[in-house]
This record gives sequence, C-alpha cells and structure tokens, in this order.
Amino acid sequence: GNSVTQMEGPVTLSEEAFLTINCTYTATGYPSLFWYVQYPGEGLQLLLKATKADDKGSNKGFEATYRKETTSFHLEKGSVQVSDSAVYFCALMFTGGGNKLTFGTGTQLKVEL
Amino acid sequence: SAVISQKPSRDICQRGTSLTIQCQVDSQVTMMFWYRQQPGQSLTLIATANQGSEATYESGFVIDKFPISRPNLTFSTLTVSNMSPEDSSIYLCSVRPAGSTDTQYFGPGTRLTVL
Repeated sequence: GNSVTQMEGPVTLSEEAFLTINCTYTATGYPSLFWYVQYPGEGLQLLLKATKADDKGSNKGFEATYRKETTSFHLEKGSVQVSDSAVYFCALMFTGGGNKLTFGTGTQLKVEL
Repeated sequence: SAVISQKPSRDICQRGTSLTIQCQVDSQVTMMFWYRQQPGQSLTLIATANQGSEATYESGFVIDKFPISRPNLTFSTLTVSNMSPEDSSIYLCSVRPAGSTDTQYFGPGTRLTVL
C-alpha cells in the first residue's frame, strides 16, 4: 500500500536557521504530494503541493521539490522564525483514487530565539 | 479555497454516549471527508461522505460506530456512537472544492475527550 515516512521530531532550531524536514513516500505510480502545517491549537492548513515529478511547491518561504528518482519531497526553508513553530505533515494522494490523503506521522518544529 | 466550520469545537463526554459533529462549508464542494487524529498521532481517514447516499468507509471503520450524513453539498455530520475512552481524538472534516482535482481543505477540528 501507499505510505509516507517523515523524519521524527521534535526538531529544535534557532531563529534564522536553515530548515529541512525529510519526507519519502512509497506508492505505485505518481501521486500528488503535499505539505500541511498545524499550528498550536489550530486545524491543518495546506502549505504547498506538487503534482508531478520535478515540480517545486512554494509558499511563505517554504519549498519542496517532487523527486521521482528518490521518491522524496523534503521541506526546506532558508531562515525560520519563531512563528514557524508547528507540526508539519507530509502527505500523498492519487487523484481519481477516491482522493484519499495518506499522511506521514508529522514532525514537530520548535524555533527558539 | 473554502471556509469550513465545525461544531462543537470540543466536548467532554461520558462512556457509552454518542456525539454528533457538524461540518459546514461556505460553498458547494465536490467531496467531503472525515478524519481522526488520535493524541500524538497522524491523521487517518474515516470515510468519504457522499451526498445523497451512504458514506464510503475505510478499513477499520464501520457505519454502526461512525454514522455519517451528507444531506447537501455544503453540510455533513459525523456521529461517534457508544463512545469509549479510545475514541478520544480530534475529528476533522475536510473538503475538496469544485474545480479542484487534488487539494483538500480542513476544518478546525473537534476535540473529543471521553471519560
């Protein structure tokens, strides 16, 4: 079956540090890939997405590139802020396959001053 | 995008009772889904709410435990029946707007605690 593997957290960084959160997937075929973010006490928000190989999704300074060769979709940000502290979820979905999102376990990011 | 509201936002319930969670969207959407997020865990799809017909349940979830209604294109309910402490979770509604092929938007969630 389909699955998503994320690096375990929590990840603790100082403000302005570089962020990478690793995400790899296992799937038959080429799914759409997503990053969702959950701020403390809030619901999930779509952060960015990519629908085909070599696509780069970007939003709010975050980027992720769909790498078919390595089945990866790592999330990066050049300079994190305290306000980026949240839980980040990587997910995949096959359009036409019931639109079921398969999520990773989530990675908690803590950014300190 | 879509603006999604859920009621209640949180509740504390007694074992053996049932709770119905409402999900309202501000526009007509193609698909509506219900997810569960157990404490410290990721999200798991419970079912797809189908308008005018029975919901489609994922493996491990059954209609008797999680009856779902979707009377129109903007509203759905999820009932958690005969609750036990293991049902303590955040329950989230998500939608796929018309015109979108893959993007889902999530409601704020309902935090349920069962004593």
